[in-house]
Amino acid sequence: ETGVTQTPRHLVMGMTNKKSLKCEQHLGHNAMYWYKQSAKKPLELMFVYNFKEQTENNSVPSRFSPECPNSSHLFLHLHTLQPEDSALYLCASSQLTGRTEAFFGQGTRLTVV
Amino acid sequence: AQTVTQSQPEMSVQEAETVTLSCTYDTSESDYYLFWYKQPPSRQMILVIRQEAYKQQNATENRFSVNFQKAAKSFSLKISDSQLGDAAMYFCAYRDRTGANSKLTFGKGITLSVRP
Repeated sequence: ETGVTQTPRHLVMGMTNKKSLKCEQHLGHNAMYWYKQSAKKPLELMFVYNFKEQTENNSVPSRFSPECPNSSHLFLHLHTLQPEDSALYLCASSQLTGRTEAFFGQGTRLTVV
Repeated sequence: AQTVTQSQPEMSVQEAETVTLSCTYDTSESDYYLFWYKQPPSRQMILVIRQEAYKQQNATENRFSVNFQKAAKSFSLKISDSQLGDAAMYFCAYRDRTGANSKLTFGKGITLSVRP
């Protein structure tokens, strides 16, 4: 248990569905991240939030919409996804200064059908 | 932009033996952090070890140690007395020290198998 919790663990959705992934951390961190992990590909950084402000969007398609209402919660809203969006989505959090390693959640395994 | 390269996709080690996983990186910064993360089949990414670039001494954590060569931009992980539970994917990661850029850049990872 790393202190970062992701729900749901598994999600199957159709291409016309709308769903949301949730991430919660109780570590007092001030930065949160979404990563995408596909088979045979490196971890891809999607979004970065520092103090609730989005500081990075790595050319992510608009069908992925992040939301960070406070420093402890991060959402990824999904709509009209494609089968190639099927992957493991990992949330992480860290401090911006001091001990800077990131702590990861267990991920959401997303399958788009 | 920073890049992290792990050129070995897979490695295998006999239980109780020692294995070294390689990683190189490229950056124009002089102060940064390097990490090794482990991802077992349960998918949870777990920090194995961290190294601050300004420290010359190599980091160690029990059976895990690194060989940090700053001039060569090399950061290898040595696992001693390998155990079956060490089987996992291992990722090398880089992060700038300055708070303005907090993101981690990962290598492609290496799959380590441990033979009983």
